[in-house]
Amino acid sequence: DTGVSQNPRHKITKRGQNVTFRCDPISEHNRLYWYRQTLGQGPEFLTYFQNEAQLEKSRLLSDRFSAERPKGSFSTLEIQRTEQGDSAMYLCASSLGNYRGRDNQPQHFGDGTRLSIL
Amino acid sequence: KNEVEQSPQNLTAQEGEFITINCSYSVGISALHWLQQHPGGGIVSLFMLSSGKKKHGRLIATINIQEKHSSLHITASHPRDSAVYICAVKDSGGGADGLTFGKGTHLIIQP
Repeated sequence: DTGVSQNPRHKITKRGQNVTFRCDPISEHNRLYWYRQTLGQGPEFLTYFQNEAQLEKSRLLSDRFSAERPKGSFSTLEIQRTEQGDSAMYLCASSLGNYRGRDNQPQHFGDGTRLSIL
Repeated sequence: KNEVEQSPQNLTAQEGEFITINCSYSVGISALHWLQQHPGGGIVSLFMLSSGKKKHGRLIATINIQEKHSSLHITASHPRDSAVYICAVKDSGGGADGLTFGKGTHLIIQP
């Protein structure tokens, strides 16, 4: 068990550029979550995968955001045409569960990717 | 949508003091999490509970489902306990399977 891995740890880019983050969950975990955390605030839910299926998307996830988990293992989060307000820490978490939260398992978090938009 | 409130927002205490951090939420939940976040962002799950009380080392978490309230206690606090402690809940009524988080309590333990 190597834990949840996120890459890159930091990303600095100019406004208008596209960025992509990667999350590698704990290998046997079938659930994967993306959260966003701005300075001084708690994390906010963005989206959730059960295996390769994206089951929930927050209203925070605008059309510029897209997440994938093509083989039910690693996931990518892409932001197109980045804006200043996208500057935040993007956190990934994974857990082991059966179906739509009928059982509760702790979520294991990665160290996050800090995005800074110039 | 659940509203999660934590108090206090900031807490500075001396080494050895007994620490209490409170969390309240507005609608029914299936589970409540206490998380610890150190500078740099990494989050560690401390407890997940849906009733009663859990203890791990110097940490104790309690939850009162009827009052929609949970507390995290730290006994014999130590400077290495300095971190942001975050309460997060999973709604019981369906909807997003992700967690709803409080804003966190920034704890500083001075030697």
